[in-house]
Amino acid sequence: GENVEQHPSTLSVQEGDSAVIKCTYSDSASNYFPWYKQELGKRPQLIIDIRSNVGEKKDQRIAVTLNKTAKHFSLHITETQPEDSAVYFCAAAYNNDMRFGAGTRLTVKP
Amino acid sequence: GAGVSQTPSNKVTEKGKYVELRCDPISGHTALYWYRQSLGQGPEFLIYFQGTGAADDSGLPNDRFFAVRPEGSVSTLKIQRTERGDSAVYLCASSLSLRANEQFFGPGTRLTVL
Repeated sequence: GENVEQHPSTLSVQEGDSAVIKCTYSDSASNYFPWYKQELGKRPQLIIDIRSNVGEKKDQRIAVTLNKTAKHFSLHITETQPEDSAVYFCAAAYNNDMRFGAGTRLTVKP
Repeated sequence: GAGVSQTPSNKVTEKGKYVELRCDPISGHTALYWYRQSLGQGPEFLIYFQGTGAADDSGLPNDRFFAVRPEGSVSTLKIQRTERGDSAVYLCASSLSLRANEQFFGPGTRLTVL
């Protein structure tokens, strides 16, 4: 089955700096890669996703890149703000079968 | 519109007891998922349904765990003979079928086994 590894487990940046979170996956059949943000005590919320026929996708300060050959994908957050502080999860899915990484706790210091 | 709902929000039980956790997916979503999330961890896949049938139950940890979705909408996760190690937040999510992969999560049920 699919196995998703996520790094780093914790990340602390200064407000305004960029943050990068990386994930690798094992199943080459996976074709959908979402990123979820989870604030303390709340449900995971989708922030951006990418499909395997696309190499990069941007939405304002957030971007995701995908390297299918190397089976890794990354989340980039630019101009970080304190409200970006949360736990971020990557996931890899084939059709509806989705597996999550262990999460990255991002802290943005004002 | 209404999102995914889960009941109860909190459940405290004693070791050895039976519990049922309920999930109401978004109307029209045919795929429904159960995950377990321990503190500081990502959602751990348990089972997913496409319609009424379990499409993949490979994540259920043992035969004390069982889930049903008899009419293709509401689902119940059942845990028999609960153990302290079952304590976690149980998350439910739903999505449209096939290529509409985005999963919408419910608020979770926090299960505590004493």
